[in-house]
Amino acid sequence: GAGVSQSPSNKVTEKGKDVELRCDPISGHTALYWYRQSLGQGLEFLIYFQGNSAPDKSGLPSDRFSAERTGGSVSTLTIQRTQQEDSAVYLCASSEMGVYGTEAFFGQGTRLTVV
Amino acid sequence: AQSVTQLDSQVPVFEEAPVELRCNYSSSVSVYLFWYVQYPNQGLQLLLKYLSGSTLVESINGFEAEFNKSQTSFHLRKPSVHISDTAEYFCAVTIYGQNFVFGPGTRLSVLP
Repeated sequence: GAGVSQSPSNKVTEKGKDVELRCDPISGHTALYWYRQSLGQGLEFLIYFQGNSAPDKSGLPSDRFSAERTGGSVSTLTIQRTQQEDSAVYLCASSEMGVYGTEAFFGQGTRLTVV
Repeated sequence: AQSVTQLDSQVPVFEEAPVELRCNYSSSVSVYLFWYVQYPNQGLQLLLKYLSGSTLVESINGFEAEFNKSQTSFHLRKPSVHISDTAEYFCAVTIYGQNFVFGPGTRLSVLP
C-alpha cells in the first residue's frame, strides 16, 4: 500500500477482554515499531521488529502485552485482559532498514477505549 | 540509551511571530535527529531530519532546525508562524538499527 495502515481505527472494549490491533507496514519496509500515545502524553515505545532479528520488547508495559510479525510484514499487537489504563492511541510505524538515515512512517493509529 | 527532552510542553504564539521549540538529547554515540508534526486528529508526519553534513536543515513549509553537537540540541525555529502551524511537535532520535526515541512533545498554539 501507499502508507502504513492500521485497523481498526477505533476500538471500544470492556475491561477484562482481549483485543488485537493490526498494522500493515509499507511494502518492503523491514523495520516495524509500535508506540502508545496516551491523552496529552508523548509517544511511549512498546516494541520494535527489525528484519529477522529477535524483536526489542523492552517497552512492553506488562506481560498482558504481546506482538508478533508474520512473514516479515503484517504485525498484530495483542492486549490481554484489558484495563482502563490501556486506553490510548496505539501507533504503528515502519522504516526501510539498511537505508542511511531513513525516517519512520506512521499509520493513523488505533484509538483504544477500555470501558 | 538515548533520551530526548522537550522543555516546553505548550507554546502559545501570535500569528506572524517567530517561534523556537527546544529539543535536547542525550546519547553516548552519534545519532540521527528528527522533528515530527502531528496536526489535530492526524497521524505523525516527518517535518525534517538531520543525518550529517550541514548542521542547519530546512523543511518545505518554512521551519528549520540546527544541530548543535556541543549543546546536544536540535531546536526547531520558524521566523513567522501561521494559524495552520498549530500542532503537536515531537523531537526524536535514533541510532542505526535501533528504535526511535521521542520527546514528550510541544503543543504549539498559534493565536490570531
